[in-house]
Amino acid sequence: GDSVTQMEGPVTLSEEAFLTINCTYTATGYPSLFWYVQYPGEGLQLLLKATKADDKGSNKGFEATYRKETTSFHLEKGSVQVSDSAVYFCALSDPWSQGGSEKLVFGKGTKLTVNP
Amino acid sequence: DGGITQSPKYLFRKEGQNVTLSCEQNLNHDAMYWYRQDPGQGLRLIYYSQIVNDFQKGDIAEGYSVSREKKESFPLTVTSAQKNPTAFYLCASNDRGTYTFGSGTRLTVV
Repeated sequence: GDSVTQMEGPVTLSEEAFLTINCTYTATGYPSLFWYVQYPGEGLQLLLKATKADDKGSNKGFEATYRKETTSFHLEKGSVQVSDSAVYFCALSDPWSQGGSEKLVFGKGTKLTVNP
Repeated sequence: DGGITQSPKYLFRKEGQNVTLSCEQNLNHDAMYWYRQDPGQGLRLIYYSQIVNDFQKGDIAEGYSVSREKKESFPLTVTSAQKNPTAFYLCASNDRGTYTFGSGTRLTVV
């Protein structure tokens, strides 16, 4: 079945450092790929998404490119801030292999802490 | 503002008791989902519903039950058959690939 593997962390960076969180996926169909962010005690917020190969999702300085050849969707940010401290989840939705449903399959999450 | 409301935010129950978690949405979305979150395990799908009066088991449905009598509501019951119910529960809805999550209910069984 479909699955998502992401760098588990935790990741600790200093402010203004470069961030990469790796994410790879396995899917039988044509998945859409997502990054979600979760702040302490809250639900998930969509950070960015890409729906087809070579698409780049971007938001709030974060970027990720859908790489079909490497089945990857790595999250990057050039200069992190303390306010970026959160848990980041990579996820996919693959209706082709899920009987038409759009349920999300998540990675285990990566906790990011950014120190001043 | 449209969104998903989960209540309560914190819930404590004694072992062996059933408990129902509320999820209400005013987004007019057809599809709704329940996920369970445990530390280090990401989110796992419990149940989902693509339309009123229909729902499907997810990956970890044992010990849980749901109903979908109204489009707006998708309550989750954690039964006494669930062996390890203490977790953070998230409800979500979806419309054409755009998901909205609630703020979650943290259930603690003592």
